[in-house]
Amino acid sequence: EVQLVESGGDLIQYGGSLRLSCAASGFSVSSNYMTWVRQAPAKGLAWVSVLSSGGDTYYADSVKGRFTISRDNSKNTLYLQMNSLGAEDTAVYYCTRGRLSTSGFDYWGQGTLVTVSS
Amino acid sequence: QSVLTQPPSVSAAPGQKVTISCSGSSSNIGNNYVSWYHQLPGTAPKLLIYENNKRPSGIPDRFSGSKSGTSATLGITGLQTGDEADYYCGTWDSSLSAGVFGGGTKLTVL
Repeated sequence: EVQLVESGGDLIQYGGSLRLSCAASGFSVSSNYMTWVRQAPAKGLAWVSVLSSGGDTYYADSVKGRFTISRDNSKNTLYLQMNSLGAEDTAVYYCTRGRLSTSGFDYWGQGTLVTVSS
Repeated sequence: QSVLTQPPSVSAAPGQKVTISCSGSSSNIGNNYVSWYHQLPGTAPKLLIYENNKRPSGIPDRFSGSKSGTSATLGITGLQTGDEADYYCGTWDSSLSAGVFGGGTKLTVL
């Protein structure tokens, strides 16, 4: 059974850093495109970043230079390193399998909440 | 302001049909596949349609997708109260080299 379990969300101060993790089971993270999507409180979905099976990475302009997506194949885990956090980064962060350019996101994690306070 | 434009809300009676539009441009919908998601309150989104008009296993054929030019449409027939949710379209934007979503549409089944 395919499962994605995020962790690492927390209450963090403005300007701080946080690393989110997404533990995958039932498939190989290294063989799939993996994407982070976030949702600010009472707002819509926002695409954050994608890591291709080949290792290519893409980022939303709003996080470029501050966030880094990566994976650990031995742990079958996806990560999102977030630096220089601001209030606009407050959101539930979802780990997903897939990419918007083709088959969409067929599996989603339950989400992990990041709250940035001043 | 979302790159893709969806109506904020739609409504219809149980048993009726509703359509939700998603408008974009040649750099996104016009040249990439569209997927659709629905999200019940407090839960993660779920894939309804991928590659414009394909349904994942387990999604009933009451849900359909289509694309024409720079617009896409989600159709839902035989509306049920359980269909009340937020619906989102998404695609890749080749100019931005980034994924984009619509702002979401709240479906109310009256």
